[in-house]
Amino acid sequence: GQQLNQSPQSMFIQEGEDVSMNCTSSSIFNTWLWYKQDPGEGPVLLIALYKAGELTSNGRLTAQFGITRKDSFLNISASIPSDVGIYFCAGQAGGTSYGKLTFGQGTILTVHP
Amino acid sequence: ETGVTQSPTHLIKTRGQQVTLRCSSQSGHNTVSWYQQALGQGPQFIFQYYREEENGRGNFPPRFSGLQFPNYSSELNVNALELDDSALYLCASSLSDKRDEQFFGPGTRLTVL
Repeated sequence: GQQLNQSPQSMFIQEGEDVSMNCTSSSIFNTWLWYKQDPGEGPVLLIALYKAGELTSNGRLTAQFGITRKDSFLNISASIPSDVGIYFCAGQAGGTSYGKLTFGQGTILTVHP
Repeated sequence: ETGVTQSPTHLIKTRGQQVTLRCSSQSGHNTVSWYQQALGQGPQFIFQYYREEENGRGNFPPRFSGLQFPNYSSELNVNALELDDSALYLCASSLSDKRDEQFFGPGTRLTVL
């Protein structure tokens, strides 16, 4: 089945630094989403992207839907300790796969005060 | 607005037993999706329910089955439990015309011994 490759697997940064992570797919997606998951909880939707080339912000978070429709990027500016968690990208192919999200393996973010 | 709720929070079963997990969708959402998240992995799509019918299924055997009720709540049933079924089971709800924008519950942690 479809696979999403998310990188990096983990990041250790200092508070105040900017963070970038990305996700690539072997096939085209119609929708890209970014979620954050804290320990013992379900993923929380951060940003949804619907058009190739689209750049969307949510506070200090900015995500982009790649032009090829096979990749997406998430940037976090001026990180703070509460940014700690696991970030997942997810894609949706549309057609018969409408509503079926395919997730990456996650990026574990650690922020040192 | 009430978010997605799931019960129970934790469950321990033995191999060969059957289990039922429950989910109440976010108010106003009529579509429910179920995901399995193994430790250290991203969620994997099991199936989706809309109008009380299965509407898309991932790569899971028939011993994984579900129901959706008129109030849009849902159940996930797993028969003949195997050790590999140990995971966090996540329910997500969405609107039928925005099935890619899914909002997750906190999950049920299932341990199979």
